[in-house]
Amino acid sequence: GAGVSQSPSNKVTEKGKDVELRCDPISGHTALYWYRQSLGQGLEFLIYFQGNSAPDKSGLPSDRFSAERTGGSVSTLTIQRTQQEDSAVYLCASSPPSGGVEQYFGPGTRLTVT
Amino acid sequence: KNQVEQSPQSLIILEGKNCTLQCNYTVSPFSNLRWYKQDTGRGPVSLTIMTFSENTKSNGRYTATLDADTKQSSLHITASQLSDSASYICVVSARVLTFGGGTRLMVKP
Repeated sequence: GAGVSQSPSNKVTEKGKDVELRCDPISGHTALYWYRQSLGQGLEFLIYFQGNSAPDKSGLPSDRFSAERTGGSVSTLTIQRTQQEDSAVYLCASSPPSGGVEQYFGPGTRLTVT
Repeated sequence: KNQVEQSPQSLIILEGKNCTLQCNYTVSPFSNLRWYKQDTGRGPVSLTIMTFSENTKSNGRYTATLDADTKQSSLHITASQLSDSASYICVVSARVLTFGGGTRLMVKP
């Protein structure tokens, strides 16, 4: 079946602009995660959605970052007033409702803020 | 503070040789430990997942070990291939995942 998909694959934006990144999880997966991977750095947890529960936003680096998950499926990560340090690859992952041990990652969106 | 440390940061080996990557963690409470392979420009792909009670798990030429007492894990790659060139990431699960910085492996012909 189809895996996790993300769009766009690449995004170049000017400093100060807002951007939206989209994640389509695997159908039926109830858990969805957003991560950020900066150049030469490890993966950084941003936010976690599980079903209809309130999301875990503890990893969001500032109030410029927000995420939504509509209808328990597609998720959008929004970065307002982008800064150069926001340049990174943004990865989305989803897990099935059986226990969520395994996370399936999307290919990521490479964001470059100029 | 939950931390996952990996060593070495980078490694170059010749094709056909074996290598071992290390992962030390301080995450608590511990749920499971995973090793991922991440090719350049791609998302991570799971290699192994181990729970507290598992000491070793294999996936083809990849063998992961776990010592929950010393909070150490290793990933052993046997008979390396050029396609093994990638970053290998150790991830420890508690409430959320804590990621190590990864080991960048390059396999040369």
